Amino acid sequence: QKEVEQDPGPLSVPEGAIVSLNCTYSNSAFQYFMWYRQYSRKGPELLMYTYSSGNKEDGRFTAQVDKSSKYISLFIRDSQPSDSATYLCATNTGGFKTIFGAGTRLFVKA
Amino acid sequence: GAVVSQHPSRVICKSGTSVKIECRSLDFQATTMFWYRQFPKQSLMLMATSNEGSKATYEQGVEKDKFLINHASLTLSTLTVTSAHPEDSSFYICSARERTSGTTRSYEQYFGPGTRLTVT
Repeated sequence: QKEVEQDPGPLSVPEGAIVSLNCTYSNSAFQYFMWYRQYSRKGPELLMYTYSSGNKEDGRFTAQVDKSSKYISLFIRDSQPSDSATYLCATNTGGFKTIFGAGTRLFVKA
Repeated sequence: GAVVSQHPSRVICKSGTSVKIECRSLDFQATTMFWYRQFPKQSLMLMATSNEGSKATYEQGVEKDKFLINHASLTLSTLTVTSAHPEDSSFYICSARERTSGTTRSYEQYFGPGTRLTVT
């Protein structure tokens, strides 16, 4: 079993839709949860960063962590074609190593 | 802030030659840098972790003699692919962790734009 599971998609939605991206993880020691966005042939960029359980909102993006079910979510409201990218979830226990999900490819159609 | 650069952005080399990739943190000091490899439509595979002034720690299955990592300063790490072969063709990405103290932000890492290596 992978430490972080993420559906690779692709996920295709119309412009303006609410997008829900999800990951599950197996190690209860994970404390830090990140979402990265990666455009084609580019390095990932940090989108959201959450410590422990709860919600965090930044503009159109909301990150949610439920440690009881080991479930991580990223919601994108009013999705735009420019949101088309691969979204990677990532977790860390607080040590050096960050574990990444496989990434979900998102396409937002105009 | 928190910009990481990589050079070159793409390189094509012949089989048997060596290639060096540079990773620099431009506006912060990075005590730890990471090197990843990414195959098409797959996630990041951590190759090694390097701390400034000490030897890199390689992940299981990664040949340390083939992928030489040097973390010479708080702003520069290099990855040298020695005697490259076509199977080494991949997208190599570095990231850097900012040196902060006592805050949760110390676990964030900032990625470079990646280097596309093609070995012919």
